[in-house]
Amino acid sequence: AQKVTQAQTEISVVEKEDVTLDCVYETRDTTYYLFWYKQPPSGELVFLIRRNSFDEQNEISGRYSWNFQKSTSSFNFTITASQVVDSAVYFCALSEARDSNSGYALNFGKGTSLLVTP
Amino acid sequence: NAGVTQTPKFRVLKTGQSMTLLCAQDMNHEYMYWYRQDPGMGLRLIHYSVGEGTTAKGEVPDGYNVSRLKKQNFLLGLESAAPSQTSVYFCASNPFSNQPQHFGDGTRLSIL
Repeated sequence: AQKVTQAQTEISVVEKEDVTLDCVYETRDTTYYLFWYKQPPSGELVFLIRRNSFDEQNEISGRYSWNFQKSTSSFNFTITASQVVDSAVYFCALSEARDSNSGYALNFGKGTSLLVTP
Repeated sequence: NAGVTQTPKFRVLKTGQSMTLLCAQDMNHEYMYWYRQDPGMGLRLIHYSVGEGTTAKGEVPDGYNVSRLKKQNFLLGLESAAPSQTSVYFCASNPFSNQPQHFGDGTRLSIL
């Protein structure tokens, strides 16, 4: 079963618009971590944020902000005043806390492709 | 700073050929991972390692083998390549627990 759902496959916005990328996750663990990664057209994966399940404070970093709501199992990502350079595929991922022998692999969503046009 | 280095970056194979993808990290990380990325599928875990000399299966391990003889290296092998293994392969590492994973730049593999 998919543990991370990114329902928006593709989003297209015009520069300076605000855009929110949705992420819904599923886990039975009480301790877990959520991540967002950016994959620009060049292909590398860039870490954006990590949030643990005990910290529901929203976070803002420049034009980026994240809204974590355990009640709805969501960890949404908003880009304010989007720019062409924000065009990329964005992945939400879940890591569940396990013992050290189980590893801490990431369960990725399928990604949302964001296109920002001038 | 090198971080996580994957070699090769591109490769074309014929069905049935074998090859090894190399991942090297210079951050002294304990945990290493191999993922594959296919269009519309996100990244899926193939194998992982929790330390030197250990390996374990991930979500999609069939057709692949791995080895971690040295802490800094994690090798992914395809013994008999199949067209279904055409993909972009990413290696990642992290030091412990649920710290962010550092990714290599990927290896684009095509199997004809």
